Parts: sequence; structure tokens; C-alpha cells
Amino acid sequence: QKEVEQDPGPLSVPEGAIVSLNCTYSNSAFQYFMWYRQYSRKGPELLMYTYSSGNKEDGRFTAQVDKSSKYISLFIRDSQPSDSATYLCAMSYSSASKIIFGSGTRLSIRP
Amino acid sequence: NAGVTQTPKFQVLKTGQSMTLQCAQDMNHEYMSWYRQDPGMGLRLIHYSVGAGITDQGEVPNGYNVSRSTTEDFPLRLLSAAPSQTSVYFCASSYARSGGGAYNEQFFGPGTRLTVL
Repeated sequence: QKEVEQDPGPLSVPEGAIVSLNCTYSNSAFQYFMWYRQYSRKGPELLMYTYSSGNKEDGRFTAQVDKSSKYISLFIRDSQPSDSATYLCAMSYSSASKIIFGSGTRLSIRP
Repeated sequence: NAGVTQTPKFQVLKTGQSMTLQCAQDMNHEYMSWYRQDPGMGLRLIHYSVGAGITDQGEVPNGYNVSRSTTEDFPLRLLSAAPSQTSVYFCASSYARSGGGAYNEQFFGPGTRLTVL
């Protein structure tokens, strides 16, 4: 069993829709939860991170962590075609330890 | 700042050939890592370094060597290329922070697409 599981998609939604992306994990020791966005043929870039449990909002993006269920989510409101990318969840035990990535969900926003 | 740079962008090798993938960063980051990305597998850690002269193995280290003689450079060597090493390779760097909820963001290079025939 992988430490981090993520539905690979692809996920296709119309412009303006609310998108929900999710990951589950097995190791309760994870403390840092990240979402990276990767455009085609580019390197990943950090979108958001959350320390421990709770929610974090940044513009149209909201990250949620539920440590009791070992489940994290990324919500995108008012989705735009420019949001079309692969979204990778990632986790680590500390701020300076190795990062474990999910396999990524490919998202396409239809104009 | 150029950030994280990787060369070459594309490479085709024959089975058994050796080569070095170059990675450099100009942000004075302590941490540097090499990942490979394959369809359906996400990013898997090959080797990483917590500072000059210090390296360690990641999840999939077999067939790869690394060294870190300077803070800026972290080359990845393929000793005898195999078709199973066909992949996209990403180098990343980050600061090493002491915690307290602050996350040390990993900055990724643009990747090297390697094909082994």
C-alpha cells in the first residue's frame, strides 16, 4: 500500500465549477500537507501548504486537512481554464524532512 | 536569480551508456533532491542531500549515484543506463527550517526527459 493515495483522474469540469481534489494517507506522523501544481512539461510549483489540521484559504483555493480521517482536500472555486494542470498532494513529517508525493490528479477546465 | 537549472532538457541513451544529469541552484539552499516522475507513479525520490558533502538514498536509488561537493551543484549519475530508467527527472532545492509550522518549500527545476533505448 502506498503511503499517499491520490485519484489520477483525469477530471474534466466546466469553467466556473467548484473543483474538489483529494488524497488519503496511511501514516499519522505526517505534519505538513502540501499541494503542488504542475503544468504540462514544467516542474511542480508549491500552491499551498497546511501545518497539522485545519483549513487554509488563499484566493480561490482552500486546503483542508482532516488528520482523524487521514484525508486532505483542495478546493478550487470559480475554476478557470488556466487552472488546467496536474495537482500533486505531498506530505512530510517535519519542515526539513523528505516529502512523499501522491501520484497527481490531472485536471482540465473546459471553457 | 535563475532558481534551479537542469541540463540537458532532453537526452536519448543506449542501454549500458553512462551519463550525468546536471543540477544547479543559486538560492543558497541547503537541501537538494532528485526525483523521477513516471506516469501513474507521481514523484519518487532518488537521492537527496542536506548539505555539501552529505548525501543519502531515497525511495528508488538503485542505478544512480550522486555527490555534493558544493552548495550549488548536485549532479545525478547514471552508471549503466537501462530502459527502466526512461523517465522525467526533476531536481529540487529548499531551505532547511527548524519547524514551528513554517514549511520549507521545494523549488523544482524544469526537468530532464531521458529515454533509454
